[in-house]
Amino acid sequence: AQSVAQPEDQVNVAEGNPLTVKCTYSVSGNPYLFWYVQYPNRGLQFLLKYITGDNLVKGSYGFEAEFNKSQTSFHLKKPSALVSDSALYFCAVRDTGTYKYIFGTGTRLKVLA
Amino acid sequence: DAGITQSPRHKVTETGTPVTLRCHQTENHRYMYWYRQDPGHGLRLIHYSYGVKDTDKGEVSDGYSVSRSKTEDFLLTLESATSSQTSVYFCAISEGRSTDTQYFGPGTRLTVL
Repeated sequence: AQSVAQPEDQVNVAEGNPLTVKCTYSVSGNPYLFWYVQYPNRGLQFLLKYITGDNLVKGSYGFEAEFNKSQTSFHLKKPSALVSDSALYFCAVRDTGTYKYIFGTGTRLKVLA
Repeated sequence: DAGITQSPRHKVTETGTPVTLRCHQTENHRYMYWYRQDPGHGLRLIHYSYGVKDTDKGEVSDGYSVSRSKTEDFLLTLESATSSQTSVYFCAISEGRSTDTQYFGPGTRLTVL
């Protein structure tokens, strides 16, 4: 069965510092990986995805993610964090056979001024 | 929120009553999904649809039923609501292509007393 894990419930980072939100996955076949962000009382917003190609994927709001096949990871990164980046972040993998999406439990990012 | 609306946005109901939540899309996407979001569990798939009258169960389908009589509408019904179904419910859509992305509605907050 396909799954994703977000090992950190919360990540704190100072404004201006680089941030990393971790995600590891388990899939059979090629992985289709996604990151979403959720602001308070809002739906999930798509940030970026890895389907194939370059291991470094660039997305919205200055975020990027690095696909690492050997470590089965897809960590979300940003070079310089903003207070406005504080939100709940979800990693997801898509089942290629059924188009079902499996989500991690989420990581709350808190950027401190 | 990419042409997806959910209604109602908030609902309070009593245990044992039936409840129907509606998801409406204007994108003509083939796939539609219902998730629930609970603290510590992330997003869990309830049911999804891959076409008109074509639906399948997700990981937490007990106590829920769905219907899709038109491409644009996907209904989630709680036959007899219980307090454990208090949650935030999200609808999502996707085209169903290998490169596609899932997009989310704004959510419905349901409280079962």
